[in-house]
Amino acid sequence: SQQGEEDPQALSIQEGENATMNCSYKTSINNLQWYRQNSGRGLVHLILIRSNEREKHSGRLRVTLDTSKKSSSLLITASRAADTASYFCATDPSLKTSYDKVIFGPGTSLSVIP
Amino acid sequence: DAGVTQSPTHLIKTRGQQVTLRCSPKSGHDTVSWYQQALGQGPQFIFQYYEEEERQRGNFPDRFSGHQFPNYSSELNVNALLLGDSALYLCASGKLHGYTFGSGTRLTVV
Repeated sequence: SQQGEEDPQALSIQEGENATMNCSYKTSINNLQWYRQNSGRGLVHLILIRSNEREKHSGRLRVTLDTSKKSSSLLITASRAADTASYFCATDPSLKTSYDKVIFGPGTSLSVIP
Repeated sequence: DAGVTQSPTHLIKTRGQQVTLRCSPKSGHDTVSWYQQALGQGPQFIFQYYEEEERQRGNFPDRFSGHQFPNYSSELNVNALLLGDSALYLCASGKLHGYTFGSGTRLTVV
């Protein structure tokens, strides 16, 4: 079973609106990361939030983390057509037998309509 | 500064054949992870290499094997290809600050 689950599976908004995607996970984590993927190509790392952080900003991105609820949200403000992509959360479990493996959720497909 | 490079970009193979995919990590990175991404799904962890050894493996059969070379580049080998192996294969390097991904190899098994 997957560690992370994004919600919604798909989201369609008008340009200029804000987009919010949520991620829930199951086990304790060291950190949670958000990635973006355009048209089935490679993933691009957007932001990493550590388990002892509650909120982080990067440009138009705002990520929150609630470890008590095992959930995170990604907010994209003032969306642009170029933000159309799939967004994945990935967790780095703290209880693990190895090292740097991160586990991805199934993703949210975001469409921003011009 | 080159990021993660993967080759080839696209590949079509016949069921039962064998395939080798290649990855060069970002400069300064010594850990390489491989992921399989089926259409419409998130990446699934295959295995990870560090210091030329496989140090963790996901839920994939032994048909999937790999190798890491002294220059940290890596290969993913898949034997006895099945139609279900058709996917985007992603290579990632880096540490816990966040992975750097290559653009992937699109494998189609016919």
